[in-house]
Amino acid sequence: AQSVAQPEDQVNVAEGNPLTVKCTYSVSGNPYLFWYVQYPNRGLQFLLKYITGDNLVKGSYGFEAEFNKSQTSFHLKKPSALVSDSALYFCAVRDTTGAGSYQLTFGKGTKLSVIP
Amino acid sequence: DTGVSQDPRHKITKRGQNVTFRCDPISEHNRLYWYRQTLGQGPEFLTYFQNEAQLEKSRLLSDRFSAERPKGSFSTLEIQRTEQGDSAMYLCASSDSVRTSDLDTQYFGPGTRLTVL
Repeated sequence: AQSVAQPEDQVNVAEGNPLTVKCTYSVSGNPYLFWYVQYPNRGLQFLLKYITGDNLVKGSYGFEAEFNKSQTSFHLKKPSALVSDSALYFCAVRDTTGAGSYQLTFGKGTKLSVIP
Repeated sequence: DTGVSQDPRHKITKRGQNVTFRCDPISEHNRLYWYRQTLGQGPEFLTYFQNEAQLEKSRLLSDRFSAERPKGSFSTLEIQRTEQGDSAMYLCASSDSVRTSDLDTQYFGPGTRLTVL
C-alpha cells in the first residue's frame, strides 16, 4: 500500500526567507510524486511533479522540489517566501507498480504561514 | 482550457435524503476522478473513470454511493440515504492520457461542500 507523511502540521517562515515543506513517501515500486496547494474553500492547484529524470523539479510560482530515492523524500522548497504563499500544501504519490491504478494518495497537509 | 467545474458548490441536506453532484472535466481529458476531503485531512480517492468505464473504486465507496460518466464527458456522483458522516468536500479531478507533457497530472475542480444535518 502507498502512503505519504507530512511530518509538520504547520510551518512558519518570515517573508523573504527560504522555505521547506517536508514530505516522505512509501510505495512498492517507482513513485510519481506531486505537490498541490489549497487556498481556503478552494480546490487543489497543481504545483509540480516528479515522474522521471532530473531529481530537482521546478514548478509554478518559483517552487521546486527534490526527489531523493534513498531517503524516500520529496521536499518542497522556495528560495524566498512571499506572504501570498501562505496556504495549505499537500504532497501526493502514485504507485506505478502494476497496471491500471491511477489514484493519488495524499498526505494530511502542511499549513504554511509566511509572516510579513 | 476552462478548468474542471463542479456543481453545486455547496449543498445542505437532511439525513436520509439523496444528493447528486456533477463534474465537468477539462475538455478532451479522458480520465476523471472523485475524491473526498474531510476537515484536516488530505483528499481520499473514491473512484476513477477512463472515458465512460469505471475502472477503480475505493473501499470508501459504500453501496450508497454511485458514480457515472455516461458519455465519457461529465460525471455525476450520487449519495443515497445521506448520513452525517458523509459531510465533506467532494473533489473532482481530470487528467489526460495522451499529451506526454501533461501525462498523469490531475487537475482539480473547486469542490462541492456537502453538509448533512
